[in-house]
Amino acid sequence: SFDLTQPPSVSVSPGQTARITCSGDALSDQYVYWYQQKPGQAPMLVIYKDTERPSGISERFSGSSSGATVTLTISGVQADDEADYYCQSADISGTHVFGSGTKVTVL
Amino acid sequence: QVLLVQSGGGVVQPGTSLRLSCRASGFIFSDYGLHWVRQAPGKGLEWVGAISYDGSNAKYAASVRGRFTISRDNSKNTLSLQMNNLTTADTALYFCAKMSESEDCWGQGTLVTVSS
Repeated sequence: SFDLTQPPSVSVSPGQTARITCSGDALSDQYVYWYQQKPGQAPMLVIYKDTERPSGISERFSGSSSGATVTLTISGVQADDEADYYCQSADISGTHVFGSGTKVTVL
Repeated sequence: QVLLVQSGGGVVQPGTSLRLSCRASGFIFSDYGLHWVRQAPGKGLEWVGAISYDGSNAKYAASVRGRFTISRDNSKNTLSLQMNNLTTADTALYFCAKMSESEDCWGQGTLVTVSS
């Protein structure tokens, strides 16, 4: 298996930009997916294949990739963006893994 | 409307077994691989395992391999998770999920509590 490392928390003021990193040795070869999870809810996909945005997801959410690190960027942060964010990837054998999660706090 | 509705769960003693089910609707069930993901109280998401669209191949996290079995019945649009030899570390909210490339759908979650 492999590990994905995320910062435990990110704090940002409304209207500012939040950046959440996800790093792992396998990420230079595998895509990353980002999920948002609010308290008491199931996760929801916000970015797929490193940079793509699913239908219905705000343009304020974007993804980027550089080597073994991928980044989820939330522009113009709003109070409703306060949630836990998880990166997820899979190795070539089909074993999936989630990052440890990042709590985004809107100040 | 794509829906995954879960059933099963509950409180069980260590060393016992439990079976979770997930009934799908709103999409062609037999076209998609499906996953189980769990979340221990206050903790992050943990991938449990997945099964291919036709049930011929299943993968598991190391923490459950050999104890948990994922199966599916494409004639009934149903996904199952058979959990054996449960331990307190298996206490979690369990989700079934359709984690397709560009879209996702999750069940409502079902709580499994392993306690003596």
